[in-house]
Order: sequence, then structure tokens, then C-alpha cells
Amino acid sequence: QLQLQESGPGLVKPSQSLSLTCAVSGASLGNDGYSWSWIRQPPGGGLEWIGHIYDFGNTYYNPSLKGRVAMSIDGSKNQVSLKLTSVTAADTAVYYCAVCSGPGGSAWFDPWGQGTLVAVAS
Amino acid sequence: SYELAQPPSVTVSPGQTATITCSGHNLGDRSVSWYRQKPGQSPVLVIYQDSNRPSEIPERLSGSNSGNTATLTISATQSMDEADYYCQAWDSTTVVFGGGTKLTVL
Repeated sequence: QLQLQESGPGLVKPSQSLSLTCAVSGASLGNDGYSWSWIRQPPGGGLEWIGHIYDFGNTYYNPSLKGRVAMSIDGSKNQVSLKLTSVTAADTAVYYCAVCSGPGGSAWFDPWGQGTLVAVAS
Repeated sequence: SYELAQPPSVTVSPGQTATITCSGHNLGDRSVSWYRQKPGQSPVLVIYQDSNRPSEIPERLSGSNSGNTATLTISATQSMDEADYYCQAWDSTTVVFGGGTKLTVL
């Protein structure tokens, strides 16, 4: 059974970079044909898709993040990583990783990790 | 960019049918998924590809999508159905979520 566990710093200073990892169990990254997304949710707010990475490395990002985001896969650690640069208070959110299943254009997210809260503050 | 609109809140009496809508331009031409999120928990998939239900989701939940509106229907609503519900679709290679609907069973 696929399980995801996000981890991160909890607190990041404005203008710095935010780095998160998603540890995957129940699948072998790079080999099992899954794809992975990061999705965030500000306190009291809705869901915002951040980006998507396929097992073979192709990435797609939310245009609203304007080049500040990068995702990668570390097959040796079975982890998916997210880096968001030049953070502001608006980046404060719970960050989720999720498995993306199904054909392109009709894919869905299941399961989701438990999420990790990141606050941006000085 | 593509947008999905949901009513902020829906209230239903126990045992009645709740209907949550998700609107977007020609949404019926796209595939819609729905997620349920209870307070303090991660979202859970309840409907995918417009009307398919994961095995662990009860038959009381159903989905449809036509024209400009996708609909999540919850029949015989129970207090356990109280949650925020989000629709989701793809816009080419990017993902769009609706703003979410808070379902209250009262």
C-alpha cells in the first residue's frame, strides 16, 4: 500500500528557500510508473496545485509560482523533493504530496500524505 | 487560466440529499475529481473521472458532469459527511481546484 510522509523545516524566513521531502513507501520511485504532485493549502484556505513530476523526470509547475519552484526525484532515497525560492508570508501553508494516478488530462490524486505545515516569518 | 467555481457552503438536513456543484467553461469536456477534507485531515478522493468511486467510498456518494457543471451528490446524508469538498480538473498540463464547499449537516 502506497504511503507518503512529508517533512520540512516548519519555519522559513522571508526571501529564503523552502525545501521539503516526501518519503514514499510501497513503491519504487523511478521504476513503478507513478507520478507525484505537491499541493498546498494556506491556513483556512483552499487547495492550490504546485507542480507535478513524472517517474521519468518530466516536470510541470503552476504558472502562478513564476519560476520559483523545482521538483526532483531521488530514487536512492525513494523521495520526492520540492524547493520553493524567495518565499513570502503568502507561501505559509500546509504542503501535501500526493500520488497522481490515471491518464493525462483525467488523472486524480490518491493517496495524499498527512501534510507538513510551513510558516514563513522572520 | 481555467477556473472552477463552487458555492462556499451547502446545508442539508440529516437523511436528505446534498448537491454540491462545480462550474467551469465547457467543464463537461473535461474529467472531474472530487475530494473530501475533514478538519485537521488530508483530502481524500471520493470521485474520479466524473463518476467513478474508489472502493472504500459508499454508494451514497455519486458524481456527474455535463455542460458547464459537475455535480457531487450525497444521498441519505449523515453527520459524518460534514466536511469541505473540492472539485479538481486539468487545464492542459496543469491542475485546477475549485475553491471548496463546506457541507453542513444540520
